[in-house]
Amino acid sequence: AQKVTQAQTEISVVEKEDVTLDCVYETRDTTYYLFWYKQPPSGELVFLIRRNSFDEQNEISGRYSWNFQKSTSSFNFTITASQVVDSAVYFCALSELYSGGGADGLTFGKGTHLIIQP
Amino acid sequence: EAGVAQSPRYKIIEKRQSVAFWCNPISGHATLYWYQQILGQGPKLLIQFQNNGVVDDSQLPKDRFSAERLKGVDSTLKIQPAKLEDSAVYLCASSLVVAGSTGELFFGEGSRLTVL
Repeated sequence: AQKVTQAQTEISVVEKEDVTLDCVYETRDTTYYLFWYKQPPSGELVFLIRRNSFDEQNEISGRYSWNFQKSTSSFNFTITASQVVDSAVYFCALSELYSGGGADGLTFGKGTHLIIQP
Repeated sequence: EAGVAQSPRYKIIEKRQSVAFWCNPISGHATLYWYQQILGQGPKLLIQFQNNGVVDDSQLPKDRFSAERLKGVDSTLKIQPAKLEDSAVYLCASSLVVAGSTGELFFGEGSRLTVL
């Protein structure tokens, strides 16, 4: 069974600080995908990144960076120089390949509520 | 390009009543998902369609929930009869997927259900 754990329920930092959101996952598959989604107060889930299990390279996109480590089953997300607009709930998610060859539904963590104070 | 459309945005009903939610995915997206998001939790997959066939409905409470995607395009999720614990946001998502890979899921704004 697959499981995603986001141990940090809520994080509050002052604007311009760096912040890291933790994500630990469990899966029996060797091929899987990891995702991060942002859910602002409006409620819509916004895709941030997808990473497959064979690609452990860290990725940087502007102020966002992701650290994928298979050895510790972690896929952490760092925001550098945080801004008030980064305030949202962030979800880590896992997908395993469907045995029939199609896409599998995502298993989400419980989310981390990030509050950036001005 | 139009996103995933859902309606209604909000619905308030009393327990034991029925409710239906509608979703129109992004044009051309073969895979459609319904998720339930209870306040303070992450979304939970209820059902996944590939075209008009069900891929996974293992977490759908089939005694009261049903979903269909008759023509492989839009979909309806129904709850009958509703319970208090069904209060949640119901999210629809779609994906342009090829066999053997997982594509990005595009989510709608959700339908917020309150059961009194």
